[in-house]
Amino acid sequence: SYELTQPPSVSVSPGQTARITCSGDSLSNQYAYWHQQKPGQAPLMVVYKDSERPLGIPERFSGSRSGTTVTLTISGVQAEDEADYYCQSADVNVRVFGGGTKLTVL
Amino acid sequence: QVQLVESGGALVKPGGSLRLSCEASGFTFSDHYMSWIRQAPGKGLEWLSYITSVSTGIYYADSVKGRFAISRDNAKSLLYLQMNSLRAEDTAVYYCVREKQDSAGTFDLWGQGTLVTVSS
Repeated sequence: SYELTQPPSVSVSPGQTARITCSGDSLSNQYAYWHQQKPGQAPLMVVYKDSERPLGIPERFSGSRSGTTVTLTISGVQAEDEADYYCQSADVNVRVFGGGTKLTVL
Repeated sequence: QVQLVESGGALVKPGGSLRLSCEASGFTFSDHYMSWIRQAPGKGLEWLSYITSVSTGIYYADSVKGRFAISRDNAKSLLYLQMNSLRAEDTAVYYCVREKQDSAGTFDLWGQGTLVTVSS
């Protein structure tokens, strides 16, 4: 099964740490990727291959894995981090997205 | 400037056809796999199709298999999506997306999207 499950929403106060999880059986042998999407904008990749950070992405964004669950961690959350976050995986014949998590900065 | 620019989105009637285009610039287009991804209003992201760098491999999501066709012209740095038998549920913003060289499945560059509306 290629389903990826994310919580619909996560809330956090500025300066705190936000953790967004993504789980799925396919993650046992596939990398995970994370994309940030702000309202009215195209998505932007913030983590690839579980824990790699693209150039230009702030260090407060990090990724980790435990078995078939991956986690996007945003340390010291800022107001500008409020967005939808999507996990994603890829196999030879398919790419799959999780349902998305809305991060609210209180 | 490294970018992807989609075009071709429009209002189309159910059962109709449409071809989307994506123009790549600022990088060697033929080095990259390319994908189409869509997002229905207020919904999440849905991967539709990808094509390998020289079109030797083409894959589709079940939701569009048999109705949509992806293709590319490396000489013109263009990616296409031919959409046939359109349905109301195909209404969405369609994104052209680059996959990182030597790291298939890594969506490292997104276009701004083009809106397709299927309605009578």
